This record gives sequence, C-alpha cells and structure tokens, in this order.
Amino acid sequence: TQLLEQSPQFLSIQEGENLTVYCNSSSVFSSLQWYRQEPGEGPVLLVTVVTGGEVKKLKRLTFQFGDARKDSSLHITAAQPGDTGLYLCAGENSGGSNYKLTFGKGTLLTVNP
Amino acid sequence: ETGVTQTPRHLVMGMTNKKSLKCEQHLGHNAMYWYKQSAKKPLELMFVYNFKEQTENNSVPSRFSPECPNSSHLFLHLHTLQPEDSALYLCASSQGSKVQLAGRETQYFGPGTRLLVL
Repeated sequence: TQLLEQSPQFLSIQEGENLTVYCNSSSVFSSLQWYRQEPGEGPVLLVTVVTGGEVKKLKRLTFQFGDARKDSSLHITAAQPGDTGLYLCAGENSGGSNYKLTFGKGTLLTVNP
Repeated sequence: ETGVTQTPRHLVMGMTNKKSLKCEQHLGHNAMYWYKQSAKKPLELMFVYNFKEQTENNSVPSRFSPECPNSSHLFLHLHTLQPEDSALYLCASSQGSKVQLAGRETQYFGPGTRLLVL
C-alpha cells in the first residue's frame, strides 16, 4: 500500500508570514498533485508535477517535486487569509491500467488577518 | 467552477433507510469516481468507472452500490448503513483514457454530500 505523509497536520500563522508544507512517501509516483479544499467544498487542483526535481510556481505558491519522485513541498510566500484551507497532496500510481490517486491526510492551514 | 454537481448536499438517514447520492458532470469526461472523506483519514477511493465500466472497487462493503448509467451520471446507492459510514462523499471526474499517461488525468471534484447515519 502506498502512503503519503503530510506535515504539519495543522498550521496557524499570521498574514504576511511564509510557510512550507511537506508531502513524503517511501513510494515512487508517476506524478504528484496538490489540491486545496475549502470548507463545504470539494478539493480543487492547484498543480501537477511530473518530473523529478521539477519546480512550479503559481503566484505566491511554489511547488517542488523531489528528485526521486517520492516527496514534494509547497511553499507559500506572504500568506493571506484567502490561502486558508486544507492542502492535500495526491500521488498518481505508477503503471497499471487504472488511473488512481493516493491522498495524504492534508495540512489544515489557517492564516489570521 | 468545477462542472461537477452533487445532490443532495446534506443527508441524514437511519440505519434501515435506503437512499441514493447523485453526481453529474458537465465536462464531457469519461471517468468518474466516488471517494469517502472522514475526519483524520486520507481521502479514500471507493469506486472508479472508466468509459462506463467499473474498473475499481476498493474493498467497499456491499451496503454501498454504485451505478453509472452513462458517462455523465454516477450514483451511489446506500442501504443499511452504519454510523461509522458518516462522512463526506465526494464525486470526481476526469477525461479518462484507455492508456494511462502520467500527470495527464486531472480529477475535478464536486462539492460533496455530507452524510450522517443515525
């Protein structure tokens, strides 16, 4: 069974601070996706990283895929209250005929004004 | 806007009731998924339909029965549920493919149905 460990589980910071959340596994994934889920809503895809070592930027968010494609990080610069939500990482399983995602438990981020 | 709708948004049912959850996608996708999201647990994949064929049943108890009449609609029929089945049930869709291409299958989620079993 492939597992994804996300840390920290909870994070509460002040507006303007920087933060990094992590997603780690002992398994290799074909790709890794980051989602944000707001209360009462389903997860919304933020980014997909495919290549080992890949870095993608989305405004104040920077995503990195580990060289070995087993881990990933999300860095937010100058966090804003609108960044509040549950951040989920999901690894795409390698091989096979079915497309499956393995999700972590998520990091619940609260950005206080 | 995700283009995936779910009804009802909230459902309270007794253990002897029969109910159904509905999911509809307006994105022209061919793959649809049911997930269960419980507190303090990762999102759990329940069922996958690809081109209307069930391709995954992740050891889900038979009291959950999926139905996919066409590529736009997905149902989850519920019967004699247990209190531990209370959770947020999420539907998702993706383009779907006969050939798996890494990183090409973005899943779009609906808002979920919050289910409480009494």
